[in-house]
Amino acid sequence: EDQVTQSPEALRLQEGESSSLNCSYTVSGLRGLFWYRQDPGKGPEFLFTLYSAGEEKEKERLKATLTKKESFLHITAPKPEDSATYLCAVRISYNTDKLIFGTGTRLQVFP
Amino acid sequence: DGGITQSPKYLFRKEGQNVTLSCEQNLNHDAMYWYRQDPGQGLRLIYYSQIVNDFQKGDIAEGYSVSREKKESFPLTVTSAQKNPTAFYLCASSPTRDRDEKLFFGSGTQLSVL
Repeated sequence: EDQVTQSPEALRLQEGESSSLNCSYTVSGLRGLFWYRQDPGKGPEFLFTLYSAGEEKEKERLKATLTKKESFLHITAPKPEDSATYLCAVRISYNTDKLIFGTGTRLQVFP
Repeated sequence: DGGITQSPKYLFRKEGQNVTLSCEQNLNHDAMYWYRQDPGQGLRLIYYSQIVNDFQKGDIAEGYSVSREKKESFPLTVTSAQKNPTAFYLCASSPTRDRDEKLFFGSGTQLSVL
């Protein structure tokens, strides 16, 4: 069964304390992996798309990486405004209509 | 500003009542989607439409209905057949039918049962 698992469920960081969020996937064929940020009571906002193992994308304090089994979202020197839930989603190659979302990691950054 | 507008922000449904959630986009996107978000679960696809007057069922379509009469609009009706409708509903769109494209989301509608 195609599955996307995110860990940890929740993460509390001190401002400036770098860390990583994990998105592991077991799918029959990866078409693309997406990262979104979601603020409470709002819709998700697109961050990155990764297509192949070894690919990396960066945006401000965020860096996303991809291997054949998982993706990491690295957060360097986070600020309180980085607090949000981060969602990972996988589009599978044999059914490209289907986007499988993980349950998300809720990040809180304290000053 | 271009974007996706969902209304209302909060909606309450009585027993046996059908309710309709509005989704309008002015991005000129071809594809539109409805997702349901429950605490502790990933987003689940209810319905999607890749072109006007055409739509397909997603993973959890039972108890829901949609229409796509205009490119800009994709309303979702939660029928009385949906026994557990309480959830956060998200509408999304993407520019074309290209499955590699990212989704643009609205700000959501929280539906609760009275």
